[in-house]
Amino acid sequence: NAGVTQTPKFRVLKTGQSMTLLCAQDMNHEYMYWYRQDPGMGLRLIHYSVGEGTTAKGEVPDGYNVSRLKKQNFLLGLESAAPSQTSVYFCASRPRVDRWANQPQHFGDGTRLSIL
Amino acid sequence: GDSVTQMEGPVTLSEEAFLTINCTYTATGYPSLFWYVQYPGEGLQLLLKATKADDKGSNKGFEATYRKETTSFHLEKGSVQVSDSAVYFCALIPMDTGRRALTFGSGTRLQVQP
Repeated sequence: NAGVTQTPKFRVLKTGQSMTLLCAQDMNHEYMYWYRQDPGMGLRLIHYSVGEGTTAKGEVPDGYNVSRLKKQNFLLGLESAAPSQTSVYFCASRPRVDRWANQPQHFGDGTRLSIL
Repeated sequence: GDSVTQMEGPVTLSEEAFLTINCTYTATGYPSLFWYVQYPGEGLQLLLKATKADDKGSNKGFEATYRKETTSFHLEKGSVQVSDSAVYFCALIPMDTGRRALTFGSGTRLQVQP
């Protein structure tokens, strides 16, 4: 019962470095999401995907890129890390079939990222 | 745009006290409403949900009723335990967007003392 797995769990970067966060789900879900969590602000949507090979921007996409080459994986990239990107990043997934928009999203345990 | 407003925390209660965490929302149409809970060092877990007006979601002793007239979805529990200490997030999914992404409130930290 892996569910949604995020790697790594912790990472410290220097300003200007690049890195990729990996999200993997084993529930055959079509929809996948990347959120960031900052103190006092809840979670905000960075990018999302409604299926393999598709991605779209959320509310705070600047400075991030994503890819969904395989249905089970959703990658979040930071091209040139900035201190403002210090945050906890959560990945989530959900199935497509949902007339009433009430299917829960399944969350990973998060990646804590610090940019110095 | 859509938004969710929660009462600020932290909320500190003694064990067996009554809990209310207020949540109001702004959205067009009839969004689905959720409460998620985040325990220290973990991801978010769905606590309960409601999809239409007057629905009551319930789980683990927690309850929330979808009130369309007041655009609210307050979380309640009759008797809290130390193990309920966590951060609680109210969230919605609008009906009219294909992405089905959650819009979250800022979260309310609950601390229950023995």
